[in-house]
Amino acid sequence: SAVISQKPSRDICQRGTSLTIQCQVDSQVTMMFWYRQQPGQSLTLIATANQGSEATYESGFVIDKFPISRPNLTFSTLTVSNMSPEDSSIYLCSVVSRQGVPRDEQYFGPGTRLTVT
Amino acid sequence: GEDVEQSLFLSVREGDSSVINCTYTDSSSTYLYWYKQEPGAGLQLLTYIFSNMDMKQDQRLTVLLNKKDKHLSLRIADTQTGDSAIYFCAESPLSGGYNKLIFGAGTRLAVHP
Repeated sequence: SAVISQKPSRDICQRGTSLTIQCQVDSQVTMMFWYRQQPGQSLTLIATANQGSEATYESGFVIDKFPISRPNLTFSTLTVSNMSPEDSSIYLCSVVSRQGVPRDEQYFGPGTRLTVT
Repeated sequence: GEDVEQSLFLSVREGDSSVINCTYTDSSSTYLYWYKQEPGAGLQLLTYIFSNMDMKQDQRLTVLLNKKDKHLSLRIADTQTGDSAIYFCAESPLSGGYNKLIFGAGTRLAVHP
């Protein structure tokens, strides 16, 4: 199984600022994803982080607000830009080790709890 | 469309069985999953079922799938206090290449003595 770490684990930020969240995996993986879990809500996929190219964003999420980098097969960052209180959520990184195999387990990181004041 | 629905809360007595229900909409989903989220922790895959199966049993966990009604359930036998958590049902539709997971809102399971 893949072991995923995220930094920071939590943060309190002021509105208008930006925060970059890091996701590190202990092994090379083909696919990395970023999810958002708003308070009391389910998980919503923000985007798929693609190595060496632009991330693929889901409906309702845009690159200017959530820029994503993935420089290699074990690391990705998500930036939450120009934050507002509505961005207060848990942000989770997840990975799949083999692309195109349906049954593969998605491993989730511990999440980053963001509070915007 | 893609939508997964679950009841939000379930309370059971320790030692009883828990049944958490889920409905999904995308019939192309080949796999359906149950994840567990304990307080302050990430998501842990509990079990999954392939869409051509009706039932899957794994120790205390039993998953039932009614593909016609698009209904999925998770039964936890002999529920313990350590089972208290939020349980998420998820589907993986073909449109997402099977890797995009659509989650339900989660069912909070509370186990009391």
